[in-house]
Amino acid sequence: GESVGLHLPTLSVQEGDNSIINCAYSNSASDYFIWYKQESGKGPQFIIDIRSNMDKRQGQRVTVLLNKTVKHLSLQIAATQPGDSAVYFCAESENKIIFGKGTRLHILP
Amino acid sequence: ETGVTQSPTHLIKTRGQQVTLRCSSQSGHNTVSWYQQALGQGPQFIFQYYREEENGRGNFPPRFSGLQFPNYSSELNVNALELDDSALYLCASSPMETGPNYGYTFGSGTRLTVV
Repeated sequence: GESVGLHLPTLSVQEGDNSIINCAYSNSASDYFIWYKQESGKGPQFIIDIRSNMDKRQGQRVTVLLNKTVKHLSLQIAATQPGDSAVYFCAESENKIIFGKGTRLHILP
Repeated sequence: ETGVTQSPTHLIKTRGQQVTLRCSSQSGHNTVSWYQQALGQGPQFIFQYYREEENGRGNFPPRFSGLQFPNYSSELNVNALELDDSALYLCASSPMETGPNYGYTFGSGTRLTVV
């Protein structure tokens, strides 16, 4: 069935280090994947997306990697900052957007 | 350019009552999707509206219904409220022309508590 899951509910990273958040999906028909950031009291905010015909896409301080062979998606955040503290969701889309449970990113001083 | 606005921000209802939540889409967006987010969970798709008609529905009972108006704003109605309906309800708008599931902009949500 359809499902999108994240490997870890919580991730703690030292300020300035790189963060890697992982996600596994199960629907082979999904052709579009998105990472969202949700801060307390706010709705999900788009970070970066990738289509299934790509393996990697880079944005400002963020990179998304897609491995279709093992149905794995990851978000890399370079030089993590205090403002990166939030819950991060991966989501997949075939005919609707399906969210995973989320990973809470804690930034250690 | 205005973003997605939702009202009210918080709401407390009693079990068995009915509730209406409202959403104004971002300027230029003609598709609205509604999600339910329970505490500690990811958002769950309820349904999507385009051209004032339902354009896809998730695994929610018929007591969850919606409307879209000519100005693309939308309402989510929930009848016979249950305690498990307590959640953050999120509205997202997107432009159909680029594909209904691309370019989502989310509102900040309505926090519904059923007691």
